[in-house]
Amino acid sequence: DVKVTQSSRYLVKRTGEKVFLECVQDMDHENMFWYRQDPGLGLRLIYFSYDVKMKEKGDIPEGYSVSREKKERFSLILESASTNQTSMYLCASRLSGWVGTEAFFGQGTRLTVV
Amino acid sequence: GQQVMQIPQYQHVQEGEDFTTYCNSSTTLSNIQWYKQRPGGHPVFLIQLVKSGEVKKQKRLTFQFGEAKKNSSLHITATQTTDVGTYFCAGPGIYNQGGKLIFGQGTELSVKP
Repeated sequence: DVKVTQSSRYLVKRTGEKVFLECVQDMDHENMFWYRQDPGLGLRLIYFSYDVKMKEKGDIPEGYSVSREKKERFSLILESASTNQTSMYLCASRLSGWVGTEAFFGQGTRLTVV
Repeated sequence: GQQVMQIPQYQHVQEGEDFTTYCNSSTTLSNIQWYKQRPGGHPVFLIQLVKSGEVKKQKRLTFQFGEAKKNSSLHITATQTTDVGTYFCAGPGIYNQGGKLIFGQGTELSVKP
């Protein structure tokens, strides 16, 4: 079974802190993603990576950065956490392919910034 | 920019009633995927449609891909309480770059027993 594991299920951080969200996948997928989920807004793409050290901005990259030093690991960094970054964060991975392949999601990290 | 719109946002049905959610893309899609997220869970892949006009069935779920490959629908016949959750459609980025997936806003289905 494909497994995508996020380092924390719940996190509480203070405003201004630097926050790291970690995601690891065990199926050698080229593509990894970070989404943010808020009620009524669906899944919004923050950043994605299609190879080691390669990244592209999604729809809402402001206030976030990412790191992919190894193929299996994709980190989301909140440089200076703010209360409007309180949200559910979902990591996903999928194989490359023109036709398309299914995405596998982690269990999510619910981040609260106080 | 590229958008995937989904309606309705919420749907409340009585158990046994039918349910449909609609997905529309601002661009032509090479394929479309559907996911289900149970309350408290994470999205799980249901199906992928690739061909223009394609129809696929999974038990009580029927998925359609429009002829122009810009819209799709998911229909559930005779809903059950186990159908509760949020249903998302997702399409690839323009030129399918980097395996990018763009999700709709989702339709949250609640089923009253």
